[in-house]
Amino acid sequence: DTEVTQTPKHLVMGMTNKKSLKCEQHMGHRAMYWYKQKAKKPPELMFVYSYEKLSINESVPSRFSPECPNSSLLNLHLHALQPEDSALYLCASSQDQDTLGYGYTFGSGTRLTVV
Amino acid sequence: EDKVVQSPLSLVVHEGDTVTLNCSYEVTNFRSLLWYKQEKKAPTFLFMLTSSGIEKKSGRLSSILDKKELFSILNITATQTGDSAIYLCASNRDDKIIFGKGTRLHILP
Repeated sequence: DTEVTQTPKHLVMGMTNKKSLKCEQHMGHRAMYWYKQKAKKPPELMFVYSYEKLSINESVPSRFSPECPNSSLLNLHLHALQPEDSALYLCASSQDQDTLGYGYTFGSGTRLTVV
Repeated sequence: EDKVVQSPLSLVVHEGDTVTLNCSYEVTNFRSLLWYKQEKKAPTFLFMLTSSGIEKKSGRLSSILDKKELFSILNITATQTGDSAIYLCASNRDDKIIFGKGTRLHILP
């Protein structure tokens, strides 16, 4: 298995809703990432988990809450989002965070719309 | 199935050399081809290409798109050790970005 699987592919949620994005990989990668990407912009790093521990939080608002239950799974819990949070959320994984990360594998993303 | 394929996957050269990185794509509803440089954190945007044959340049970096042959190249001249990174090619379709796996470039001093 050489893929990063993200679910759902599309999500529409209200500002009072609670939802979660899921990311899964079975390549034995020990670093996993959440990116946010707005239209016509490059991906912006949100969180990095290395060996199941949060290693980087790019000053992301607390309405986004990451979780890494095990080495294969990464979640992003969403609560009380704003319409400006609408974006493509990308998950990625790599063998190790500390190297240059040969072979970054990205998921195809979750298109989130906040209404 | 949509795909973006980069080659080579890994490249080691000496400082001062010129390198060419390749990216081919097969994407439905193609909108643009993107190049990013990624070191330890977020990818850094380099170029967005939408039209064939028009070279984009930024310092020692340049890129061109061939929409007929469905490929793009990224050239780096007079390489420096600071150019060591992963270079990501991605294709923007109407609802998602499809990334290639990247080319890991290492510049030896």
